[in-house]
Amino acid sequence: DGGITQSPKYLFRKEGQNVTLSCEQNLNHDAMYWYRQDPGQGLRLIYYSQIVNDFQKGDIAEGYSVSREKKESFPLTVTSAQKNPTAFYLCASNEGGDTQYFGPGTRLTVL
Amino acid sequence: GENVEQHPSTLSVQEGDSAVIKCTYSDSASNYFPWYKQELGKGPQLIIDIRSNVGEKKDQRIAVTLNKTAKHFSLHITETQPEDSAVYFCASGDGTASKLTFGTGTRLQVTL
Repeated sequence: DGGITQSPKYLFRKEGQNVTLSCEQNLNHDAMYWYRQDPGQGLRLIYYSQIVNDFQKGDIAEGYSVSREKKESFPLTVTSAQKNPTAFYLCASNEGGDTQYFGPGTRLTVL
Repeated sequence: GENVEQHPSTLSVQEGDSAVIKCTYSDSASNYFPWYKQELGKGPQLIIDIRSNVGEKKDQRIAVTLNKTAKHFSLHITETQPEDSAVYFCASGDGTASKLTFGTGTRLQVTL
């Protein structure tokens, strides 16, 4: 069963803590993306990776970090430097400039 | 960079009526325009897309039109059903670097 999985579905964090969101895909896609979604603002690109061991900043990368050590995995770390981390985080992947497919999302809440 | 504007932000139609959502984009190099449907608490799902070499594409009750000269594209849903209720996003991309720029979404409510 091919697709993109994100875990956990819900995540709670205390202020000042780093937290890592998981994204895994078994579609054999080269490119992977992380988006942040806030109410009324659509999807904004945080980081993207077009190939293993390489990634680029998106429009709102400050306070976030990523790694791409394996083709199927693209974890996102929300650091304590991110001032307003409460949001819905979406991971996506695609191949060769084609359609992006999204995972089910992780809702992060800072307590 | 690219800017995508989407209207309206909310849309309420009666079951069986048509719904139209419009988007404009700013970068003339954009050539790929997908539409996504997002249900509450879930990730967006692609419903239809169009590339700049065509002006219209249809898939059953859903159609998208593209006017490259005016830099706008629209989603048309005919014979709406309650299960069409969701948030719809348009996006634009250049088809090479794979980066998409999204509109701010339209919440469609189909009432009985």
